[in-house]
Amino acid sequence: GENVEQHPSTLSVQEGDSAVIKCTYSDSASNYFPWYKQELGKGPQLIIDIRSNVGEKKDQRIAVTLNKTAKHFSLHITETQPEDSAVYFCAASINTGNQFYFGTGTSLTVIP
Amino acid sequence: GAVVSQHPSRVICKSGTSVKIECRSLDFQATTMFWYRQFPKQSLMLMATSNEGSKATYEQGVEKDKFLINHASLTLSTLTVTSAHPEDSSFYICSAAGQAGYGYTFGSGTRLTVV
Repeated sequence: GENVEQHPSTLSVQEGDSAVIKCTYSDSASNYFPWYKQELGKGPQLIIDIRSNVGEKKDQRIAVTLNKTAKHFSLHITETQPEDSAVYFCAASINTGNQFYFGTGTSLTVIP
Repeated sequence: GAVVSQHPSRVICKSGTSVKIECRSLDFQATTMFWYRQFPKQSLMLMATSNEGSKATYEQGVEKDKFLINHASLTLSTLTVTSAHPEDSSFYICSAAGQAGYGYTFGSGTRLTVV
């Protein structure tokens, strides 16, 4: 089955700096890669996703890049703000309606 | 966008009792719903996949007689924790995948505490 690894497990950045979280996956059949933000005591919320036919996607301060050959994808947050502090999970799946395989999460702290 | 409503958000129950958690898709039909369990500072662990009108598929190690899942309609799935024990205390989260390829939308989670 699919194995998704995520690094780092914790990340602290100064407000205004950029944050990068990286994930790798093992199943070349995976073609959908969402990123979720989870605040304490709440369910995960989709913040951005990318499909395998695209190499990069951007939404304001958030961007995701995908390298299919190397089987890795990354989340980039620029101009970080304290409200970006949360746990971020990457995931991989084959198509959008099937089982997701989650990374282990990254706890991001943005220091004011 | 797609909205999934999960209730209750918090529940405290006595050991030996049963607790039902509801997961509703509010503005789309969810052919498939997923139930996760999350321990503090850990990732989401898939417990089971439920498809409308059929029996749920449980992940290895998850007791199907303890965690009863019912997906009787395209907008509602329920998870019942039967004969709850303190070790069942956890954060339970549902998610739904719609027919139109929305991908996963997660509920807000249920914090279960068994005393």
